[in-house]
Formats: sequence, C-alpha cells, structure tokens
Amino acid sequence: AQSVTQLDSQVPVFEEAPVELRCNYSSSVSVYLFWYVQYPNQGLQLLLKYLSGSTLVKGINGFEAEFNKSQTSFHLRKPSVHISDTAEYFCAVTRRGGATNKLIFGTGTLLAVQP
Amino acid sequence: KAGVTQTPRYLIKTRGQQVTLSCSPISGHRSVSWYQQTPGQGLQFLFEYFSETQRNKGNFPGRFSGRQFSNSRSEMNVSTLELGDSALYLCASSLGGTSGDNEQFFGPGTRLTVL
Repeated sequence: AQSVTQLDSQVPVFEEAPVELRCNYSSSVSVYLFWYVQYPNQGLQLLLKYLSGSTLVKGINGFEAEFNKSQTSFHLRKPSVHISDTAEYFCAVTRRGGATNKLIFGTGTLLAVQP
Repeated sequence: KAGVTQTPRYLIKTRGQQVTLSCSPISGHRSVSWYQQTPGQGLQFLFEYFSETQRNKGNFPGRFSGRQFSNSRSEMNVSTLELGDSALYLCASSLGGTSGDNEQFFGPGTRLTVL
C-alpha cells in the first residue's frame, strides 16, 4: 500500500518570497509522483510529475520539485510566489505498472500568499 | 479541446434519497476515475472505469456505484444518502494506459449537500 504525508496544512508566505511545500511518501513498490493545485471552487490541475530520469522536475507556473528516493520525499518549490499562487496543493502517488490510474493523495497544503 | 465536464455542479438532497452524478471525459480518453473530497477525509479514490469495465475500486460501501458507457461517459450513483456523503465529487479522465503514468485531467466537481 502507498501513503502520502504533507506535514504542513497551511503555509503563509509574503509575495515574492520563496516557498517550499513538503511531501513524503511511503510505498513498498515503485511509484510515480505528482503535484496538483486546486483553486477555490475548481477541480485539480496538474503542476508537475516525476516518472523517471532527472530528479529535478520543472512544472507550470514556475514550480519545480525534487525527487529524493533515499528520503522518500518530493518537495515542491517556487523561488518567488505571487498572490495568484494562493491555492491548495496536493501531493499524490500512483503505483508503477499497477494497471490502474488510482491516485493516492496527501491531505493538502494551503499556500496563503500575503501582499 | 473541451475539458472534463461534470453535471450537475451543485446538488442538494435529503437523507435516504439517491443521486446520480455524470461525467463526460475529454474526447479520446477511455479511463474515468471518481474521487470524493471532504474536509475531514481529504481526497479519496472511489473507482476507476476503463472501456466500460471497473478497473479498480476504493474502500467505500456498496451504496456507491458507477458505470461507464460506450462513449466513455461515466455516471456514479449513491443510494440511501447519509449526511456524511456531503462532499465534492471529482471526476478525472485520462487516455487510460495501464502503466500509471497517464496524466489525469480533473473536472470542476459536483458539490453534493445532504440535508
């Protein structure tokens, strides 16, 4: 079975400051890793994903994440945030070759960008 | 290309009633997954359909069911509604391969309120 932990339920940050949203996962099998963003009253949008290869993954809106296998982490970063980045961010995993697209999500981190 | 559409967007029902939610995937997508999102439990996988067959099922009671039609549109049904079924129900579609690396595109969700 797989599980995802997002330790920070809320991260307040000032505009133009850097931010890191933490994600740790647990799995006995190989997984793919994803970050999704959810704006108020909307569905989820894929920010980025790690499938294989380079452990540093770049996504949309200036976000990037680094896969660390030894620490089973996939932290999301942005060097300079904007007010428009205020949203809830979800880390998720899915099993490699598991004949399913089932996503297992963390509990989410609310990024609150203040002017 | 049109995105994933879900109807209705909002729904109010009373305990004991049943409800049917609809999801139209992106054209060409053959996999549809459903998720329940609540403040207490977060995002939880309900089931996944691929080519009209249920490919995976989450840990929900039998009151939750779904189906997929030949045009890949999917419906989910909840019978004998309980207060705890109040949630945002999200549908996601993907091309549907079995390796788990398919990008899933989410609809805006159906907000179900049970009174």
